[in-house]
Amino acid sequence: EVQLVETGGGLIQPGGSLRLSCSASGFAVSSKAMSWVRQSPVKGLEWLSIIYIGGSTNYADSVKGRFTISRDTSKNTVFLQMNSLRVEDTAVYYCAKDCTDGGCSNFFDSWGQGTVVTVSS
Amino acid sequence: EIVLTQSPATLSLSPGERATLSCRVSQSIDIYLAWYQQKPGQAPRLLIYDTSNRATGIPARFSGSGSGTDFTLTISSLEPEDFAIYYCQQRTNWPRTFGQGTKVEIK
Repeated sequence: EVQLVETGGGLIQPGGSLRLSCSASGFAVSSKAMSWVRQSPVKGLEWLSIIYIGGSTNYADSVKGRFTISRDTSKNTVFLQMNSLRVEDTAVYYCAKDCTDGGCSNFFDSWGQGTVVTVSS
Repeated sequence: EIVLTQSPATLSLSPGERATLSCRVSQSIDIYLAWYQQKPGQAPRLLIYDTSNRATGIPARFSGSGSGTDFTLTISSLEPEDFAIYYCQQRTNWPRTFGQGTKVEIK
């Protein structure tokens, strides 16, 4: 059974940094593209970043240059390093796995439970 | 950035009724649209991908149609567990974007 567990959220002041972790089980994070998606009442669901099987990455403009996605295959974990945090980064952060069904790609068929990030002074 | 506009914002229906949800896209995305269901306190759940393909384990009462810029999610006969918020998402262009959601509530 596929399971994703996010950790690392919390309360942080503007300008600060946080590192989110997404621990995976039931599959290898090196075998599927993995994304981070956040959800807030203001912006709704917002895709942030993806790391592909080969290790290439992509980012939404809203986080490019501030957030970095990476993975540790030995720990079967994906990370999101978040720097220069802003009030508008306040959200629930989910990691999500690329879908497995034949022909399905860049949609997300498994999600973690989410971790809350609050950016406030 | 491709913008997805869902309508209506809220759909009030009774169990057993048919639900029709719309997702209009700001530019053509061919068939590359998905639908998700989200219940309170839970993560989104993939229902439909590439417009009309049901994800593994999704009941047949959920169906999707459309192409280009106009897409529809249909729930043929609402079950009590179907009352939730539904989101569409495109994968044609970067960034991947979601609609703002349609809430299906019990009438």
